[in-house]
Amino acid sequence: GAGVSQTPSNKVTEKGKYVELRCDPISGHTALYWYRQSLGQGPEFLIYFQGTGAADDSGLPNDRFFAVRPEGSVSTLKIQRTERGDSAVYLCASSPKGGQGQANVLTFGAGSRLTVL
Amino acid sequence: GENVEQHPSTLSVQEGDSAVIKCTYSDSASNYFPWYKQELGKRPQLIIDIRSNVGEKKDQRIAVTLNKTAKHFSLHITETQPEDSAVYFCAASLLSGAGSYQLTFGKGTKLSVIP
Repeated sequence: GAGVSQTPSNKVTEKGKYVELRCDPISGHTALYWYRQSLGQGPEFLIYFQGTGAADDSGLPNDRFFAVRPEGSVSTLKIQRTERGDSAVYLCASSPKGGQGQANVLTFGAGSRLTVL
Repeated sequence: GENVEQHPSTLSVQEGDSAVIKCTYSDSASNYFPWYKQELGKRPQLIIDIRSNVGEKKDQRIAVTLNKTAKHFSLHITETQPEDSAVYFCAASLLSGAGSYQLTFGKGTKLSVIP
């Protein structure tokens, strides 16, 4: 597609529920990143995919968070047993390539705003 | 890991004046420094970036300078216009052991341009 697409744009859920957030990167971009942005803060790195594999998940806060990218394109961020502290905007970004000595230029999606009541 | 400090947190300037935002980073191995503009409720958008082998880069009214020795970089906006009002984020990129270029962001500067 023309840009990075994220759905849903807004998600309100209750504490303890399971949520899935979807990211459709720019066509042909092999590198995909998830970031989380809390109110008044800069984005914080969560996880990086190169192709289908999660090459770096060091930013995931705990084991309630998980992400997949089964076919190397669309990615889903999954949050189990949501807590109020999970409320934030979850941003997805993609770039043409990652690693291998190439500094990547990220294009961000508009984000999914998650509110946990 | 990398730590990026950004100042000031808020900045108000008169239309036509210049605005300067400064960032410092901690890891001397960082080699890519982008700046993003984020309008309220919208996605961060890259406005300019600089790599560690360059000291300065300019794009019309926007310029970025990098001092590798001091580990700081700055964004300069000249002839500010009301549409420049937004939150600006600096970031530093470091190649991680897993092969990813993680961006570490500053906390942002809210720029207000007063007509």
